[in-house]
This record gives sequence, structure tokens and C-alpha cells, in this order.
Amino acid sequence: GENVEQHPSTLSVQEGDSAVIKCTYSDSASNYFPWYKQELGKRPQLIIDIRSNVGEKKDQRIAVTLNKTAKHFSLHITETQPEDSAVYFCAASKKAAGNKLTFGGGTRVLVKP
Amino acid sequence: DSGVTQTPKHLITATGQRVTLRCSPRSGDLSVYWYQQSLDQGLQFLIQYYNGEERAKGNILERFSAQQFPDLHSELNLSSLELGDSALYFCASSAGSSGGVYEQFFGPGTRLTVL
Repeated sequence: GENVEQHPSTLSVQEGDSAVIKCTYSDSASNYFPWYKQELGKRPQLIIDIRSNVGEKKDQRIAVTLNKTAKHFSLHITETQPEDSAVYFCAASKKAAGNKLTFGGGTRVLVKP
Repeated sequence: DSGVTQTPKHLITATGQRVTLRCSPRSGDLSVYWYQQSLDQGLQFLIQYYNGEERAKGNILERFSAQQFPDLHSELNLSSLELGDSALYFCASSAGSSGGVYEQFFGPGTRLTVL
């Protein structure tokens, strides 16, 4: 089955700096890659996603890039703010598997004011 | 608010007991997914239902079962509970299943504590 690895497991940045989280996946048939933000004790919230026919997608301070050949995708957060502090999860899915999500292990991001 | 609701929010029970977790998907969503989040295993897919039928299964224990009812709400049944079943259980819903790619929106979760 699909395996998703995520790095780093923790990331500490100064407010205003950029944060980058990287994920690799194993199943070349995966075609959908969402990113979720989870605050302590809360639900995972979808913040951005990318489909396999697109190489890059931006939404204000957040961007995601996908390299299908290398089977990796990354989340970029620019101009980080204290409210960006949370755990971020990448995931992968494919239509043939009912679009179930396989998650990476998560990255705990701390933005220091 | 994602539009997905889950009850109860918290559940404390003893080993060997049986519990039922309930999920109501967003209006119009046909697919319901169940995920388990524990400290050592991260977010793990358990099972998916689409319009009342089971569509995909993850590493769900035989002690666990689920169903989706005609009104599209879903229940996850956990029996013969063990200490290791303590976790956050999330359901997520999406518009479809295998006809295309659909975003999944998560409910607030049920925190299960087995003593």
C-alpha cells in the first residue's frame, strides 16, 4: 500500500521567516495530495491541496509544489505568524483506493515571536 | 466549522466494554471515512462507506465495525475494548468516492479513553 514520509518532525522558525515541510510518497498512482493543519485537540483542517496534473498551487502565504517524477511534494509557508504554530500533516490518495487518505507522520511547527 | 458532526465528544469506559461513535456528514456528502489518531500511530485510516456500502478498509481490527445508514450518518462500533484503543477517532466526509477526487472535511472527533 501507499506509504507517506514527512520531514522534519519538528520545525522552529522566527516570526516572518519561511517554513518548508517535505513529503515523499511511494505509490505512483496517487493523484491527490492535501495538507492539513491541526491545532491541539482540534480537527485536522484542510489548508491547501494539489492534484497530480498540477505542479504548483498558491493561496496567499501558503504554496504547495509537486514533483511526480521524484514522488515528493512540499508545503511552503511564507511570512510565518504565531498563529501558524500547529501540527501539519501531508497526505496522499488515489481514486482506485476510494480516495482514502494516507497521512505522513506530521510536523510540529513553532513560530517564535 | 466543517459541517461534519460527531458525538459524543468524550467517552471514558473500561476495558472489555463496547462503545458506539456517531458521525453525521456534511449535507449532500455521500462518503464517510473513519480515522484513528493515537500518539504512536499518527492518523490511520480505518474504513470508508459510500452511500451505505463499504468501499475501502484499512487496518481495522476485527473488534471494530461500522455501518452507514440510509440517512447517510455512520456509526463506528468498538468492542472488547483494550487500553491501546484509547485515541481520537475522527470521521471525515466527502462528496464522492471513486468517480473523481474529492476533498475530505473532518469532524471534531471523539476522544476515547479506556481505563
